[in-house]
Amino acid sequence: KQEVTQIPAALSVPEGENLVLNCSFTDSAIYNLQWFRQDPGKGLTSLLLIQSSQREQTSGRLNASLDKSSGRSTLYIAASQPGDSATYLCAVLNNNDMRFGAGTRLTVKP
Amino acid sequence: NAGVTQTPKFQVLKTGQSMTLQCAQDMNHEYMSWYRQDPGMGLRLIHYSVGAGITDQGEVPNGYNVSRSTTEDFPLRLLSAAPSQTSVYFCASSYSRGSLKTQYFGPGTRLLVL
Repeated sequence: KQEVTQIPAALSVPEGENLVLNCSFTDSAIYNLQWFRQDPGKGLTSLLLIQSSQREQTSGRLNASLDKSSGRSTLYIAASQPGDSATYLCAVLNNNDMRFGAGTRLTVKP
Repeated sequence: NAGVTQTPKFQVLKTGQSMTLQCAQDMNHEYMSWYRQDPGMGLRLIHYSVGAGITDQGEVPNGYNVSRSTTEDFPLRLLSAAPSQTSVYFCASSYSRGSLKTQYFGPGTRLLVL
């Protein structure tokens, strides 16, 4: 059974800092890995999707990496802004079964 | 495109009542799924469908039923609501082929069972 873990559970940083969020998974036979953002009381917004054959994806200030062999992914956020405050979730897809981590709640202080 | 829509946004039920959570998408996606999100936990898959007429169970299917008569709609039925089903429910959809299965989520339905 696939298990997904995100560390840390919560993170608070001052504005402008670069930061890294971590995601680990137990079954490396994944189809893809996706990072989502969730604002309080809202649905999920997809940020980046990394296919199993890829090592990383970039979108603006966000960079996600994938190391399937070690069962790890990182989400790097450059020059953080207060608007980045949200919960970030990673999810891995095995066939039609998507498993989520519990998320990292990020607070960026002005 | 409206994307993925869910109704109602909020619902209060009494134990034992039944109800249907509605989900619709207008992106012609083959794959649709239902998740529940509980405090401190990630989303857990309840049921999913890879196309009209095809459904399968996810991680936590007990107490829920689904059907998929059209590509657009994927309702979730609570047969006899229990307090343990108090949660936020999200519907999602994506293309089913290839590894570019970016999932699009609805805004969620908050359910409280008393």
